Parts: sequence; structure tokens; C-alpha cells
Amino acid sequence: DAKTTQPTSMDCAEGRAANLPCNHSTISGNEYVYWYRQIHSQGPQYIIHGLKNNETNEMASLIITEDRKSSTLILPHATLRDTAVYYCIVRAGGTSYGKLTFGQGTILTVHP
Amino acid sequence: GAVVSQHPSWVICKSGTSVKIECRSLDFQATTMFWYRQFPKQSLMLMATSNEGSKATYEQGVEKDKFLINHASLTLSTLTVTSAHPEDSSFYICSAGGGLTNTGELFFGEGSRLTVL
Repeated sequence: DAKTTQPTSMDCAEGRAANLPCNHSTISGNEYVYWYRQIHSQGPQYIIHGLKNNETNEMASLIITEDRKSSTLILPHATLRDTAVYYCIVRAGGTSYGKLTFGQGTILTVHP
Repeated sequence: GAVVSQHPSWVICKSGTSVKIECRSLDFQATTMFWYRQFPKQSLMLMATSNEGSKATYEQGVEKDKFLINHASLTLSTLTVTSAHPEDSSFYICSAGGGLTNTGELFFGEGSRLTVL
């Protein structure tokens, strides 16, 4: 699976949009971009995933560049409960159950 | 999303004893389950992949005789830490695939914190 690069940490004011970038320049054609987050001492929580089109759900939006070498996770109105480590992961196949390989992620701190 | 449950949430044991952690998919059948370990302030590290009815596949450096994995049904996988030692103290997390939408996302349990005295 392709490796991803994320900033170590980011801050965001409560109520503002949080934009978390991820570089995956070696992504291959059959690899999807997945985003998970982990709140302290809990298991990771699935957020969103996509192949090449932008995606939106009740939690977030995922913007994938046309060349698919990078993406941005957008939390439109961050709250204090969104403080967590956010992991960007690329993995082959949208319907396969291949393993997820976690990097170091981005520590997002939402402050009042 | 689909629900994956782990039990126990935390366990304390004496050095040399064995500990079993259960991972259940509550509302879907999981053909594949994964076991991760996470040390403080570190990321999740994949230990093994568990497929229902077959032997688990272990990642390099993970001792298969120490971390026994059984995936006897489509809703249950167990991880047994045998002869546990203090260095095995960690946060163990399972994940399962095969959720309701069948679009490849994996769902994670709440994690089990093991402390070996």
C-alpha cells in the first residue's frame, strides 16, 4: 500500500472548518483514500473514504486532487469533541478487506 | 456504521499468566478480522490478520506462539496473550471487515488495555 505523509499536528478554533491535508504521491490506480480518527484511549473511528471523486457524509468532506496525489479532509464546523489523531490511509480496493496500515497521523486540537 | 465489540475493556494480570481478549462483530458477519497493538504515544501496529476457519497470518516480528488467534466463527475472533510479561502491556485493538455497506471500510472495537504486573 502507498505511504502517506501528514503534518504532525494542527490547531483549529471551535466552530471553524478544519482542513487536514494528506500527501500520497505514490498512490496507484486501484487504491482508495481512507480517513480514520482516534480519540484518546479509544479504537479508531471510520470517517470517510474515496477513490477519485470528492465525497461528503454527515461527518466530513473529502477532497481528492485530480492527479490523486493528495487529499484534504474537511470538518466543516469543528467542535471540541473533534480533538483526536486523524489518520489518512491508502488501501487497495473498495470492496476488499485488506489490512489498514497506520502512519503517525495528525494530532488535531480544537480549542475554544 | 457497523459495531465491533471487544471484551474485556481492560485487564490486569500477573506475569506468566495468559489473557484472552474477544472481538465480536455485533451486526454483521466478519470474514476477516485484524488485530493491532498500540503502545503509548505511538500509532497502531498490525499484529495479524485473522480469517474465519483458517490460520491467522502474522506480521513480521510478531510471535505466533505467544499471540494465539482463533477465528472460529464469522462473528468472533479471540487473541490470547500467552505467558504475558510486562513488555506485553499495551492497548490491543481489533477491526473487522464485511460491514453492512460492503464498501471496504473496516470497523474497530473499543480496544482492550492490558497491564501485566
